[in-house]
Amino acid sequence: QSALTQPASVSGSPGQSITISCTGTSSDVGGYNYVSWYQQYPGKAPKLMIYDVTNRPSGVSNRFSGSKSGNTASLTISGLQAEDEADYYCSSYTSSSTLGVFGTGTKVTVL
Amino acid sequence: EVQLVQSGAEVKKPGESLKISCKASGFSFATYWIGWVRQMPGKGLEWMGIHYPSDSDTRYSPSFQGQVTISADRSMTTAYLQWSSLKASDTAIYYCARQIGTAAVFDYWGQGTLVTVS
Repeated sequence: QSALTQPASVSGSPGQSITISCTGTSSDVGGYNYVSWYQQYPGKAPKLMIYDVTNRPSGVSNRFSGSKSGNTASLTISGLQAEDEADYYCSSYTSSSTLGVFGTGTKVTVL
Repeated sequence: EVQLVQSGAEVKKPGESLKISCKASGFSFATYWIGWVRQMPGKGLEWMGIHYPSDSDTRYSPSFQGQVTISADRSMTTAYLQWSSLKASDTAIYYCARQIGTAAVFDYWGQGTLVTVS
């Protein structure tokens, strides 16, 4: 299956809000509420930030929020902070393999 | 505390075999799917497959079917990823991760194992 499509990079100034998109198909993002988002710092393992489109695991800042419309899911980071500078990956269940598929990844830069 | 601790970095030659491990603790190992994720140098994450230790059910992403074997030892609470004949293109960091109840979501991750084939 093909990777979900994300913008290669997104940037914003401290305090601003940014949104990262994740586009798939009706076989994955559009067909199920099983979209998740991961944050990855260089040289570190990914960390779950959002699951089931909108849910935040315990301990994740409420500055991170998720949504979905049709075949596109979004991650919004509000009140951008320097520590948010990292790579972000979306993921979705896909009926084509009954497993998961990741997005292409987005590098977030805090200006 | 949930922990997934992976084995150390490996340097292998093309054609050699390899088995890397992921030691789990802090949860009921047999009742969670354990998955493996590949990250090639400077690239994104790729879903390889998942394994359910309770009944050994294993599912592979199409790109990895027949290329690797995922298994686990319930008594050792350890999951494994193995290759029978490595290729240079297998050079990557491999992460194990625990899948939570909802579909295709990994909530805890190992620290990663760097495999270099050269």
